[in-house]
Amino acid sequence: EAGVVQSPRYKIIEKKQPVAFWCNPISGHNTLYWYLQNLGQGPELLIRYENEEAVDDSQLPKDRFSAERLKGVDSTLKIQPAELGDSAVYLCASSLRTGSSTDTQYFGPGTRLTVL
Amino acid sequence: GENVEQHPSTLSVQEGDSAVIKCTYSDSASNYFPWYKQELGKGPQLIIDIRSNVGEKKDQRIAVTLNKTAKHFSLHITETQPEDSAVYFCAASWAGGSYIPTFGRGTSLIVHP
Repeated sequence: EAGVVQSPRYKIIEKKQPVAFWCNPISGHNTLYWYLQNLGQGPELLIRYENEEAVDDSQLPKDRFSAERLKGVDSTLKIQPAELGDSAVYLCASSLRTGSSTDTQYFGPGTRLTVL
Repeated sequence: GENVEQHPSTLSVQEGDSAVIKCTYSDSASNYFPWYKQELGKGPQLIIDIRSNVGEKKDQRIAVTLNKTAKHFSLHITETQPEDSAVYFCAASWAGGSYIPTFGRGTSLIVHP
């Protein structure tokens, strides 16, 4: 079974430029998560989707970040414009559903963003 | 909100030794505690978990313990091997938070052959 796929794996951009990250979850997984992982820290949730609905986006900086999951499958996270402090790893994860402690989140390899 | 503290930040052991990573949490409502292993260039992977109605759980060379009264939980790895080298994260979650984990800052485990 294929895992969570993310692309690109690495991205280097100059500040003020836009950037987009793509995620394809495990087939059949209804819930999709975007996490931010700063160097030396654990992941922090940015947004969670149940199918195509964003059910938890309280930690998403909405002035510059946006996300979509139009058909309830793959998802795109966008930053426009990027700032130096956005340099981090952006992780995507998926699970069958949320609300259950037995529902494991499976993480993708992440996209490492460097903003110069 | 929940706050998870994790220690040590770095742990260096010789192959065959045991390794212990400790975490504390702040929210008494938390009742599910997963542990993740993150290898270089990969996302975190769930390796073991424990629920608040259990004090200890073991899976081969890894075990987790939970002291709900003191709000701390630990990961124990016995007979460490070089392939155990990775960053380990503890996390805490509960039903009211849809079991979205709050992660600790991670422990970099280095196992020397």
